[in-house]
Amino acid sequence: QVQLQQSGPGLVKPSQTLSLTCAISGDSVSSNVAAWHWIRQSPSRGLEWLGRTYSTSKWYNDYAVSVKSRITINPDTSKNQFSLHLNSVTPEDTAVYYCAREKGQKLLYWGQGILVTVSS
Amino acid sequence: DIVVTQSPDSLAVSLGEKATINCRSSQSVLHSSTSKNHLAWFQQKPGQPPKLLIYWSSTRESGVPDRFSGSGSGTDFTLSISSLQAEDVAVYYCQQYYSPPYSFGQGTRLEIK
Repeated sequence: QVQLQQSGPGLVKPSQTLSLTCAISGDSVSSNVAAWHWIRQSPSRGLEWLGRTYSTSKWYNDYAVSVKSRITINPDTSKNQFSLHLNSVTPEDTAVYYCAREKGQKLLYWGQGILVTVSS
Repeated sequence: DIVVTQSPDSLAVSLGEKATINCRSSQSVLHSSTSKNHLAWFQQKPGQPPKLLIYWSSTRESGVPDRFSGSGSGTDFTLSISSLQAEDVAVYYCQQYYSPPYSFGQGTRLEIK
């Protein structure tokens, strides 16, 4: 059974970097048939796909245009997890952040979600 | 980017009646290489992450009751719940995975009338 366990701070100050981690059990971040996504949800923006990382012969990333200049998604093969870093945050980045696994083009497994508030 | 739009924003249906939610994409999500529509439906209840109901526009995920069905092709899709149950009260989202960014619809809130 695949499980995704999210961790990270619930409060980030404006202009700082939001960093979250998604620890994977029951699968490998290095799997060449899976991709690892970050998605967020807020009342104003609804469900917003942020990006993904995946590996075939090398690592690839896709990012949403809305955050492309500020986002990095990194795999950590030694810990079997992946991370989200979103810099220069503003209150507009306040949201529940989810990680999710895509396999067979299905987003079937999701993390529990973390509410991140951007406030001074 | 592909924009996904759902209708209606909210819906109230009597128990045992049929509920229908529509989803439209700004361009076709029918992939020529797979001959499949890259469109999924999710159900979300308060405090929970979205739950995958339907993928490839009409394939029910394992364990999803057969009262849930998906249809459509190209740019127009429908999620139907044949006989509404109390536990179906939720917000429903469609999502295209034809090409990144994998955009979601704005959601449809389904309630009991």
